[in-house]
This record gives sequence, C-alpha cells and structure tokens, in this order.
Amino acid sequence: KAGVTQTPRYLIKTRGQQVTLSCSPISGHRSVSWYQQTPGQGLQFLFEYFSETQRNKGNFPGRFSGRQFSNSRSEMNVSTLELGDSALYLCASSLGAGTGVRGYTFGSGTRLTVV
Amino acid sequence: AQTVTQSQPEMSVQEAETVTLSCTYDTSENNYYLFWYKQPPSRQMILVIRQEAYKQQNATENRFSVNFQKAAKSFSLKISDSQLGDTAMYFCAREGSNYKLTFGKGTLLTVNP
Repeated sequence: KAGVTQTPRYLIKTRGQQVTLSCSPISGHRSVSWYQQTPGQGLQFLFEYFSETQRNKGNFPGRFSGRQFSNSRSEMNVSTLELGDSALYLCASSLGAGTGVRGYTFGSGTRLTVV
Repeated sequence: AQTVTQSQPEMSVQEAETVTLSCTYDTSENNYYLFWYKQPPSRQMILVIRQEAYKQQNATENRFSVNFQKAAKSFSLKISDSQLGDTAMYFCAREGSNYKLTFGKGTLLTVNP
C-alpha cells in the first residue's frame, strides 16, 4: 500500500511570505503528526491531529498552524516566514487512538528554505 | 521536560561486526513506547524496532535487537552483522500518553567496508 506522501518535496520562499505543506497519510490511518527537523534543534514536535481534531501542540509560535480534513489528509501552514523556519518538515501517520498499535510511518519530508 | 538522550553523536563499525547505540530517557509515566528510527541520506525516517514498556522481553527484528532496562530508563540498540546499508542517522524516540514522539539528537553510524 502507498506510504505517507508529502508535497512538495522542496520549497523556496521569501521572508514574510506564507507557505502550506501537504501530507496524505497511509490509507486507514487517522492520526497525522508534524515535526520540524533542523541541525541545531533536532526533531521537534509541531502538532498532532486525529479525526480532524488537534489533540496536541508543540511549543511553536502561532504562525505555525495546521488542520486535518475528513479524509485524514493534513496541511500545515506557516505565515510570515522567518529565516529560522528553514527546515525539513516531516509528517507521520499512525492508526491513532484506541487501536493498541503504536508506531508512526513517516513521509520523505518537505525541505523548506526561506531566503 | 521529559527528554531522550543519545550520548554518542557519531560511531563507526566495520562491515559484518556488531555495534551498540545507547539511549537513555526520562519519563514519569509507567506506560509508554520506545522506538529506534533510521534516517539515511534519502531523509525518510524508517522504523527499525519498537518496544512496549510493559513488556519485559527485549524486542528483536532480524539483525536488530534492543536491551531495554526499564528501571534504569535505558534503551540501547544492537546491530549485528553490520551492512553498508546500515549507514544512517539513528534516532531513539519515546512516546507517552499524548501520542507525541520525543526524539534524541541522533547518532550518526558509519559502516566501513
């Protein structure tokens, strides 16, 4: 079956612009999480959605937001981009709550460069 | 803060030999899950092995096994018969009740021919 699909793979934006990243989870997975990966800070949790509800949010400013659609696809948005937002953004999907199955499948990420 | 610590930023091993990557973590929860993920240069995070904290038996997946010491909050990964394709960044991660993964900083493993 198809894996986690993230689009686009690469993105270059200018400071002050906004950007939207997309993630399509594995079919049947209802939980989608987002992580930011940078050389300095490593992997940091952004937020997690399950059945269109945000259940947990990391310690990021309000410029970072997300949503999940009824088909479990998710988008994250970053407004007023800063140079420090340059990072690899990873999406992960899992079956989610109540299934007793843990573990996440990651996509290949979106490499965002802010200039 | 509940942290995950990987004390070895880089390691190298000869092909066919065995290597152990270390990981310690902090948590106040009794039920949680531990993972090792591999990230090759292609950058996709690949699940290597998982361990449920309530299980005393150490998880194994082919050449990969863990040494889980719950009281010591230690979760090391052993790779046997190392292969060139094992060269990657390895991340230890913990998941608690909030479905959030907390990652260590990673260990860059290089397998030499």
